Amino acid sequence: NAGVTQTPKFRVLKTGQSMTLLCAQDMNHEYMYWYRQDPGMGLRLIHYSVGEGTTAKGEVPDGYNVSRLKKQNFLLGLESAAPSQTSVYFCASNDRENTGELFFGEGSRLTVL
Amino acid sequence: AQSVTQLGSHVSVSEGALVLLRCNYSSSVPPYLFWYVQYPNQGLQLLLKYTSAATLVKGINGFEAEFKKSETSFHLTKPSAHMSDAAEYFCAVSDTGANSKLTFGKGITLSVRP
Repeated sequence: NAGVTQTPKFRVLKTGQSMTLLCAQDMNHEYMYWYRQDPGMGLRLIHYSVGEGTTAKGEVPDGYNVSRLKKQNFLLGLESAAPSQTSVYFCASNDRENTGELFFGEGSRLTVL
Repeated sequence: AQSVTQLGSHVSVSEGALVLLRCNYSSSVPPYLFWYVQYPNQGLQLLLKYTSAATLVKGINGFEAEFKKSETSFHLTKPSAHMSDAAEYFCAVSDTGANSKLTFGKGITLSVRP
């Protein structure tokens, strides 16, 4: 019973490098989200998707891109990493019947040097 | 726009003492309200949720929360703290729209002293 799976779980990048975080869910959920968690800031929404082929900006989208080519996958990309993007990233999913309840992955810790 | 305020960033209680974590919300429409818990190095998991049914909501691990519209509050309580309750707790709000998104508070770290 996998739920929401994020890869990789840890990554260290140098400033200017690019990378992609992968989120996969096996619950057939329509909606998927990427959040970042920083100390004292709670969770802030980066981008989200309400269905395959759709994406939308959240609260803090700058410096990130996303794609939802398949319903079960939601990719978060950093084209040119910056130290300010050092954070823990969480993927989550749900559908309209969940009345807002989110199902979270275990997080991906990214450090940008 | 919706928002959630969690007063304080850290609460410390003794084992067996009452746990009270405060949450106030601001929403222009009747909200859905949630408490999530995050144990160290894990993702968030749902503790309980209010979706306009009973105002007193019971969740997992003995936690409960009461929705008070007049006070715009949704405080989380547990009568007797256990060491295993040590974690970070997040209050969140969403509106009732079909594409509603959650807005999270900044979180409160709960420590439990032996």
